[in-house]
Amino acid sequence: AQSVTQLGSHVSVSEGALVLLRCNYSSSVPPYLFWYVQYPNQGLQLLLKYTTGATLVKGINGFEAEFKKSETSFHLTKPSAHMSDAAEYFCAVSDRAAGNKLTFGGGTRVLVKP
Amino acid sequence: EAGVAQSPRYKIIEKRQSVAFWCNPISGHATLYWYQQILGQGPKLLIQFQNNGVVDDSQLPKDRFSAERLKGVDSTLKIQPAKLEDSAVYLCASSFLTSGGLYEQYFGPGTRLTVT
Repeated sequence: AQSVTQLGSHVSVSEGALVLLRCNYSSSVPPYLFWYVQYPNQGLQLLLKYTTGATLVKGINGFEAEFKKSETSFHLTKPSAHMSDAAEYFCAVSDRAAGNKLTFGGGTRVLVKP
Repeated sequence: EAGVAQSPRYKIIEKRQSVAFWCNPISGHATLYWYQQILGQGPKLLIQFQNNGVVDDSQLPKDRFSAERLKGVDSTLKIQPAKLEDSAVYLCASSFLTSGGLYEQYFGPGTRLTVT
């Protein structure tokens, strides 16, 4: 079975500072990996995804993530936080052997301080 | 392109009552998912449809939850009778198969259920 662990349920950053959200996964097959963002009272929006090829993936809103197979990690970063980045972020892995079912991590809530 | 639509957005019921949620996926998306998101947790898949057939319902509490997708378009999720622990946001998502073999999921805004 696949699983996703997000380290830190809450992260507080200052505006303009680096945002780093950690995600580790377990998968028996090469994974598809995703980061989603959820704003209050809204559904999930796809930030970026890794399927194959280049391990550094760029997404929307200035976010990027790097797939590191040896570390089974897919950490999300943004060089400079903006107030609008305050939201909850979810890492997910897709099980290609089971209908592309998504397994989500527990989420990390980001607070941006002015 | 219209997104995934869900209704109602909010629902408050008493325990042991029944409730139903509706989802209209993005046009042309053959795969539809229902997720349960309990406060402070990530979404958990309840059921996955491919057209109007069930692909995965292994985590659906079948003694009280049911779902259908008639005609392979809209879907309804029902809870009967509801329990306090069913309080959660119920998310619907739909997906299509990309040229790279990936099912990219698009989520609706969710229905927030409170059971008192």
